[in-house]
Order: sequence, then C-alpha cells, then structure tokens
Amino acid sequence: DAGVTQSPTHLIKTRGQHVTLRCSPISGHKSVSWYQQVLGQGPQFIFQYYEKEERGRGNFPDRFSARQFPNYSSELNVNALLLGDSALYLCASSLGPSSNTGELFFGEGSRLTVL
Amino acid sequence: AQSVTQLGSHVSVSEGALVLLRCNYSSSVPPYLFWYVQYPNQGLQLLLKYTSAATLVKGINGFEAEFKKSETSFHLTKPSAHMSDAAEYFCAVSGVRGNMLTFGGGTRLMVKP
Repeated sequence: DAGVTQSPTHLIKTRGQHVTLRCSPISGHKSVSWYQQVLGQGPQFIFQYYEKEERGRGNFPDRFSARQFPNYSSELNVNALLLGDSALYLCASSLGPSSNTGELFFGEGSRLTVL
Repeated sequence: AQSVTQLGSHVSVSEGALVLLRCNYSSSVPPYLFWYVQYPNQGLQLLLKYTSAATLVKGINGFEAEFKKSETSFHLTKPSAHMSDAAEYFCAVSGVRGNMLTFGGGTRLMVKP
C-alpha cells in the first residue's frame, strides 16, 4: 500500500509569491495534519483536518490556509511568501482524529525555498 | 500548554554502546508522549508512544522509553547502538484531544564504528 504522498517534493519561490502543497493520505485515513519543519528545528503544527473539517490550528498567520477534499486529500496554501517560510512541510495522516489512540503516518515532505 | 525539551542537540556514541536520548516535558494535563525518528530526506517514523498503560514502553528497533512523572521525563534508550541508528530523534507530547503534537528541537544521534 502507498504511504502518505506529497507533491511537489522540492520547489523554489520568490518573496511575495503564493504556493500550494498537496498531500494524499494513506487509503482509508480520514485525518490529515500539516507541520512546518524549519532546518535544525522540530516540526511545528499548522493544521489538522478530519472528515473535511478543521479540527486544530497552530500559531501561524492567516497567510497559511488549508482544506481537505471529499477524497480526504489536502492542500496547504501559503500566500505572500516570506524568507522565513523556507522549510520542509510535512503532511501526516491517521485513521481517526487523535494521535493518542492511533498512529500518525508522515510523508517525506515538500521542501520549500523562498528567495 | 505543552512543551518538550530535548537535552543535547547532538549525541555521539560508539557502535555497541548504550544510547540515551533525553526528553523532558511540560503539560497541564496527563500527557501522551511520543518518540519519532527521522532519517535523512525522509519523513518521521513512530518509534514508540506512552499512553498511560505502562510506564516502560518498548518500541521498534530495540528502543524503549520510561515515563517518570516525578521527573517529567521520557528518556529514550537502546542497550547497543547500531550504525543504522544514526538519525534525528524527536520527542513529542500531545494533550487529551490528540489532534496536535508539540515536538522538541530534536537530537541528532551519530554512531561511530
């Protein structure tokens, strides 16, 4: 079975541009979470979606938005890119909404470089 | 609010030696605690998690961790390091809802031959 797949794997943008990152969860998983991992740091929670509804939002500005589609795939959108948005963006999926009772499976990430 | 502190951003051990990676947490509610491993250019993989069932938790690849409430710690150990254990290790905590993980800054484990 395919794991969590993310696209694109690498991309380069310039300041002020917009970016869309995509994530396909493991088949049957209904929850998708997004994390930002800046080089040399631990991942930081951005959003969680479960059954197409937002279930959690981290401390990120409104330039960050996300949605989940009927097939449970998800998009993360970032507007007005800043240099500080350069990071590895990780998508994770799970069967249910809680990582306490189930396992969170991570994709390999989309590495965004903002110049 | 929850937070995690991982002491030592880099740990170096010889092959066959004990691995000890330290994690201390802060949580206003009974915590759920996790250890993840990240190999270069890969996502995170769950090693083990504590969910209050037992204080000593065994995970994959011979790793284990002990929850000590009095010390607010959840240190990761492995009796004998292998070269293949070289990676970045992250400790994380979640609250009752479990909808988000708060990660520590990570510890890079290096294994010398």
